[in-house]
Amino acid sequence: SQQGEEDPQALSIQEGENATMNCSYKTSINNLQWYRQNSGRGLVHLILIRSNEREKHSGRLRVTLDTSKKSSSLLITASRAADTASYFCATDSGAGSYQLTFGKGTKLSVIP
Amino acid sequence: EAQVTQNPRYLITVTGKKLTVTCSQNMNHEYMSWYRQDPGLGLRQIYYSMNVEVTDKGDVPEGYKVSRKEKRNFPLILESPSPNQTSLYFCASSLGGRSPLHFGNGTRLTVT
Repeated sequence: SQQGEEDPQALSIQEGENATMNCSYKTSINNLQWYRQNSGRGLVHLILIRSNEREKHSGRLRVTLDTSKKSSSLLITASRAADTASYFCATDSGAGSYQLTFGKGTKLSVIP
Repeated sequence: EAQVTQNPRYLITVTGKKLTVTCSQNMNHEYMSWYRQDPGLGLRQIYYSMNVEVTDKGDVPEGYKVSRKEKRNFPLILESPSPNQTSLYFCASSLGGRSPLHFGNGTRLTVT
């Protein structure tokens, strides 16, 4: 079952600009993760935010989580052409077993 | 180098011909999982395994089998492939305990 839904589906920006992607989900979560995928390759983990955290930073990445609105955002600052990829949020909402459910992704294009 | 290795990278087969996609990880991870990725549908979980000899169905298990006889290996078996199983498949692993997933580079399967 699809849990996270990213918005927008596609985003095109100029190099140097900031990129913001949003993720909404339906049920309560243990944590929410963001992954990046380059053109048909395997996904790479970017950042994990737990349900009791509101904001997390990693380099040029900033993730926020609002559990009352069931939403998260990923901000990439000072984007580079190499940031061009698809970005997925994934939610862990299993009470027992670990089942990570992915959204459909946001395709980001950074134009040099 | 820590990695998840899938083989083959590309596979073209015919309907009904049994096939196995192998997955191996060298990080001593307890948790392993298979996903398929289709345009417009995102990543959907097929099967997962919490540990050796422990496997469970994901969201789309029909037509697939898995086994986990050793910690490092988690093969995906298609006993009688059909064209609707044409997809990009990813194996992933993690330490467990809701840790981030490490993905393989994918297997692109075409069933004619």
